Amino acid sequence: KQEVTQIPAALSVPEGENLVLNCSFTDSAIYNLQWFRQDPGKGLTSLLLIQSSQREQTSGRLNASLDKSSGRSTLYIAASQPGDSATYLCAVRSFSIGGSQGNLIFGKGTKLSVKP
Amino acid sequence: NAGVTQTPKFRILKIGQSMTLQCTQDMNHNYMYWYRQDPGMGLKLIYYSVGAGITDKGEVPNGYNVSRSTTEDFPLRLELAAPSQTSVYFCASSGTTYEQYFGPGTRLTVT
Repeated sequence: KQEVTQIPAALSVPEGENLVLNCSFTDSAIYNLQWFRQDPGKGLTSLLLIQSSQREQTSGRLNASLDKSSGRSTLYIAASQPGDSATYLCAVRSFSIGGSQGNLIFGKGTKLSVKP
Repeated sequence: NAGVTQTPKFRILKIGQSMTLQCTQDMNHNYMYWYRQDPGMGLKLIYYSVGAGITDKGEVPNGYNVSRSTTEDFPLRLELAAPSQTSVYFCASSGTTYEQYFGPGTRLTVT
């Protein structure tokens, strides 16, 4: 059964620091991996989508990598800002919960706080 | 584009009552999903649909029903509400890339 783990559960950094959020998954048979941001009381905003054949994706100050063989992904945030404070969720599209195209299985998230 | 919209934003139900959570997307996506998010538990898939007229169960379907009569709409029905259904419910949709786009959520309390 696919399981997704995110470490650490919470992270506090000073403004301007570069940081890495980690995501690991137990079954390497994934279709893709998606990183989301969730602000308190809000829905999820898609940040980056990495297809299983890709190694990384970049958007602005964000860079996500994928190593399927080791079951790991990282989200790198450069020059962090207070506005980056949110919970970051990792999800893998896995075939373990049905559907010919699989469905997303989520980690529990990393709560990031960037202090001015 | 409004994206994915959900109504209502908040609702309080008494045990045994029923209600429908509405979800609409204007991106012409074939795939639509319902999740629930409980504190400290992450998001769990309730039901999903790969197109109008086709629905299937996710991880936690018990106590819920769905229908998909149009591409745009994917309502979630709660029959005989129970306290265990207190949660935040999110609807999402995706197109051919399978990148999922989420609505703002419905916060439901069953007392």
